[in-house]
Amino acid sequence: QVQLVQSGAEVKKPGASVKVSCKASGYTFTSYYMHWVRQAPGQGLEWMGIINPRAGTTSYAQKFQGRVTMTRDTSTSTVYMEVSSLRSEDTAVYYCARGPPDYYCSSTSCYIDYWGQGTLVTVSS
Amino acid sequence: EIVLTQSPATLSLSPGERATLSCRASQSVSSYVAWYQQKPGQAPRLLIYDASNRATGIPARFSGSGSGTDFTLTISSLEPEDFAVYYCQQRDNWPPQITFGQGTRLEIK
Repeated sequence: QVQLVQSGAEVKKPGASVKVSCKASGYTFTSYYMHWVRQAPGQGLEWMGIINPRAGTTSYAQKFQGRVTMTRDTSTSTVYMEVSSLRSEDTAVYYCARGPPDYYCSSTSCYIDYWGQGTLVTVSS
Repeated sequence: EIVLTQSPATLSLSPGERATLSCRASQSVSSYVAWYQQKPGQAPRLLIYDASNRATGIPARFSGSGSGTDFTLTISSLEPEDFAVYYCQQRDNWPPQITFGQGTRLEIK
């Protein structure tokens, strides 16, 4: 069965960075895109970006360009998402979420079919 | 950036009634729209992809329609477990740029 297991909650000070991990299992890691989506307390879903685990290529939401970096380690089937220059508005639950097969994303809504359990990142002085 | 606008913000209905949720895109997104359901404290669940395809395990009372800029999620007869927040999502460009709507809260009347 598909599982996405994320790292634990983090508390950071403004200006710091945070790196969240997401370990995938139950499917061929390099064959499916991986999204990152966040949700601030009581708010809606916000798409941050996507990584192709096979090629390592990424696409980030314009809002996060220059402040977010997504990487992967194919030897451990893990993707990482790092956010720098944290501010209080970055307090949110961060989800990794599996997209469709890599050959399918370009001709579809590039939907999300499995989600991690979420990682709460709190930014506070 | 393509903006998705969902309406209404809140929909109050009773079990057994029909729910119609709307999602409008600021420009055409072809049929590249998905719908999700989210309950409190849970991750979202995929309901519909590519405007009208039900995801695996989703009951037949959920259906999606639309293309271009106007999309609809219909729940034919509400069950108690259907009361939740619903989001639409679109994919634009390549490499992809994705946005979510702001959500519609479906509450028990």
